Amino acid sequence: EAGVTQFPSHSVIEKGQTVTLRCDPISGHDNLYWYRRVMGKEIKFLLHFVKESKQDESGMPNNRFLAERTGGTYSTLKVQPAELEDSGVYFCASSQVSGIQYFGAGTRLSVL
Amino acid sequence: GNSVTQMEGPVTLSEEAFLTINCTYTATGYPSLFWYVQYPGEGLQLLLKATKADDKGSNKGFEATYRKETTSFHLEKGSVQVSDSAVYFCALPAGGTSYGKLTFGQGTILTVHP
Repeated sequence: EAGVTQFPSHSVIEKGQTVTLRCDPISGHDNLYWYRRVMGKEIKFLLHFVKESKQDESGMPNNRFLAERTGGTYSTLKVQPAELEDSGVYFCASSQVSGIQYFGAGTRLSVL
Repeated sequence: GNSVTQMEGPVTLSEEAFLTINCTYTATGYPSLFWYVQYPGEGLQLLLKATKADDKGSNKGFEATYRKETTSFHLEKGSVQVSDSAVYFCALPAGGTSYGKLTFGQGTILTVHP
């Protein structure tokens, strides 16, 4: 069974540009989460999808971040325009209902 | 909401040494507790979990006991190996449920030398 897959593994962009991160959850997992780890600090929750619906987006830092999950399958997280403080590692996780979260390898975003 | 405080590192040990990484939590109710590990170049993996007080989670020689009286979930291993070098995160659900969005500690970098 394939795990959670994230693309790209690393992205380097300049301040003001747009970046789109993608997450493919484990097949059949209705729950999809986005997290972020900035500058070696703790991993922080960004948002939670149940199928295609945003269940909780309380962790989204500002309106430069837009997450979508079309058809309840893969999800994208767009940052537009990117700022220096957006640099970090973005993790995606998926789970079944009330289940353990399985994480992807993360996307390392560097904003220069 | 729930929160977790994790011993900061980095921690450097010689092979076969004893490991303890401290984790304490503040929570409403009695949520599940987790240790996740991130090996170099890989994603977060669930290392072990405990779902109620006095439960002991164990995996790959690592153990952690859910201590309600001290609100702790310390990670231990009796004899570490070079392959245990990784970043370890203590975590629990942010709300009052057993699952759902997670709150993490800051992570502890463990380096094991031969």
